[in-house]
Amino acid sequence: NAGVMQNPRHLVRRRGQEARLRCSPMKGHSHVYWYRQLPEEGLKFMVYLQKENIIDESGMPKERFSAEFPKEGPSILRIQQVVRGDSAAYFCASSQTGGASSYEQYFGPGTRLTVT
Amino acid sequence: AQSVTQLGSHVSVSEGALVLLRCNYSSSVPPYLFWYVQYPNQGLQLLLKYTSAATLVKGINGFEAEFKKSETSFHLTKPSAHMSDAAEYFCAVSDGRGSTLGRLYFGRGTQLTVWP
Repeated sequence: NAGVMQNPRHLVRRRGQEARLRCSPMKGHSHVYWYRQLPEEGLKFMVYLQKENIIDESGMPKERFSAEFPKEGPSILRIQQVVRGDSAAYFCASSQTGGASSYEQYFGPGTRLTVT
Repeated sequence: AQSVTQLGSHVSVSEGALVLLRCNYSSSVPPYLFWYVQYPNQGLQLLLKYTSAATLVKGINGFEAEFKKSETSFHLTKPSAHMSDAAEYFCAVSDGRGSTLGRLYFGRGTQLTVWP
C-alpha cells in the first residue's frame, strides 16, 4: 500500500511566480491536511480538506494561498506570487476518516519550496 | 486553543542510555496526543498515540509514552538508545472536536543525537 505521495520533492521559484504542490493521499483516505514547516519550527496547520470540500482553512494565509481536493486527482496547494518568506517545507497528511474514530494522520515526504 | 511545549530543543545521549524527551500540552478538553519522528529530508512517521485508553502507550522501535493528566505531560521514553534513533521528534495534540476537528498542533521539536 503506497504511502502519501507528494510532488515535486523540491521546487525552486523566483519571487512573483506561482508554486503548485501536489499531494496524493494513501489509498482509501479521503481526508487531506496541509502543514508548513519553517526552519527551526514545528509544523503549522494550514488547511483540512475532504473531497471537493474545504473543512477548515483557518491556518491559511488570507492572500495568495489556496487549496483544493477535487473529486478526481491529487490535492493541490497553490501559492501565487511567491515571496522569500514562503520558503519552507510543505507537508501533506491524510487520514482514513477524519472523524472521532481515528486521528492517525499519515505524512508524505514533503515539498521543499525555495524562493529566490 | 491547544498548544504543545517540548522542553529542550536538543537532547544528546550515549548509545544504550535512557532516552527522555519531554512534552507538555495545554488543552481545554481531554486531548489526543501523538509523537512523531522525522528523519532528515523525510516526512513524519507516527511513533505512538494516546486516545484516552491506557495511559501508558507503547509505540514502534521500543518507544513508549505516559499520559499524566495531573502534570499535563506526555513524555517519550526509550530504555536504551540506538544510533538509528537519531532524528527529530515532534509531540502533537488534537482535541478532535468542533471546528478544530482534524487539526494537529505541533511542538517545535527535539533533535535527538546519539553518541557511540
